[in-house]
Amino acid sequence: GQNIDQPTEMTATEGAIVQINCTYQTSGFNGLFWYQQHAGEAPTFLSYNVLDGLEEKGRFSSFLSRSKGYSYLLLKELQMKDSASYLCAPMDSNYQLIWGAGTKLIIKP
Amino acid sequence: GAVVSQHPSWVICKSGTSVKIECRSLDFQATTMFWYRQFPKQSLMLMATSNEGSKATYEQGVEKDKFLINHASLTLSTLTVTSAHPEDSSFYICSARGGGDSDTQYFGPGTRLTVL
Repeated sequence: GQNIDQPTEMTATEGAIVQINCTYQTSGFNGLFWYQQHAGEAPTFLSYNVLDGLEEKGRFSSFLSRSKGYSYLLLKELQMKDSASYLCAPMDSNYQLIWGAGTKLIIKP
Repeated sequence: GAVVSQHPSWVICKSGTSVKIECRSLDFQATTMFWYRQFPKQSLMLMATSNEGSKATYEQGVEKDKFLINHASLTLSTLTVTSAHPEDSSFYICSARGGGDSDTQYFGPGTRLTVL
């Protein structure tokens, strides 16, 4: 079957760094996406990894290891507005995104 | 770039009526559009995938006669919830894929449907 494993909830302090881990199993693999979703809003695209390694984009970085079925999203210099759910979504052989419940990140002052 | 709009952003209707939701890609041509539903504190649930000019592919358990999808152009897809009932109340979100970064899905802002 296809599944995604992410922590349900994480808490971090404003200004700090947090790493959100994701392990996945899919039927085929065509890359992995990270999305941010604020409460009551639609997801917004953060990053896409298709090859192994680290992709850096401003305060956010995403890492992928295809052999381990593992990815993480690294958020630096946390701001209060970063409080949201973060969704790890691998794409299967049919180019469909597989969605889990995501990780709710709470930022405290 | 890669902006997707949805209209309306929220709608309240009476049980038994039909509601149409529009999804538009504003600055790119969307070869594929997706319709999702999300209940509070739950993950996104894919309802159907539609390609321009062809019939939508519905996920298992989604009634195609109840959720009518039309993808008549490369920039517009519509979802019509027919004979809506209170259990259809949910957050409906569309996404579009296409343009230069053809594998990325860009989401519309969502439509919150409340059926009384």
